[in-house]
Amino acid sequence: DAEITQSPRHKITETGRQVTLACHQTWNHNNMFWYRQDLGHGLRLIHYSYGVHDTNKGEVSDGYSVSRSNTEDLPLTLESAASSQTSVYFCASSEWGTEQGAFFGQGTRLTVV
Amino acid sequence: KNEVEQSPQNLTAQEGEFITINCSYSVGISALHWLQQHPGGGIVSLFMLSSGKKKHGRLIATINIQEKHSSLHITASHPRDSAVYICAVSASRDDKIIFGKGTRLHILP
Repeated sequence: DAEITQSPRHKITETGRQVTLACHQTWNHNNMFWYRQDLGHGLRLIHYSYGVHDTNKGEVSDGYSVSRSNTEDLPLTLESAASSQTSVYFCASSEWGTEQGAFFGQGTRLTVV
Repeated sequence: KNEVEQSPQNLTAQEGEFITINCSYSVGISALHWLQQHPGGGIVSLFMLSSGKKKHGRLIATINIQEKHSSLHITASHPRDSAVYICAVSASRDDKIIFGKGTRLHILP
């Protein structure tokens, strides 16, 4: 069965370190999204991609980057982790013009100490 | 104003009660999702709707495209239904997923 997986599920890192969160989908979807979830803010869009080599900034993109070298993966990189980036991160994928809707990863809980 | 609004924000009910959570949106959509999240847990997709009504066990989801409104109903609620329920839409203009802030449901035994 097709799926979308995130890794790691939990991560503790130190301030200033570079961290990469993985998102891998086997739906062959062109659209992939990264969100962060914080109390009082709900889920906010960080970055998104509509296809290979395409990346776009969301509403809370400062301090984050993504790259899309293939259809399956959209890794999220925190260039220099800050305590304000302690959060739960979710990725999702979808495809234009289908009635499948979107599919969501299980989330990565990141703690920056 | 948020593009996806949910009500109520918090809901406490007794076991067995009929529960309704509402979602209104202001953008054109290709799909609407109802999601469930238990404390500290991941997001589980309950329903994806583009029209009409869907039922799965004790859960029913309806959508009225003309009124831009959807409801999630839980019949014979149970303490294990306690979770945050999130409405999300796939915007037809750019396929971005826009989330509501969620409804925190607590079912008392």
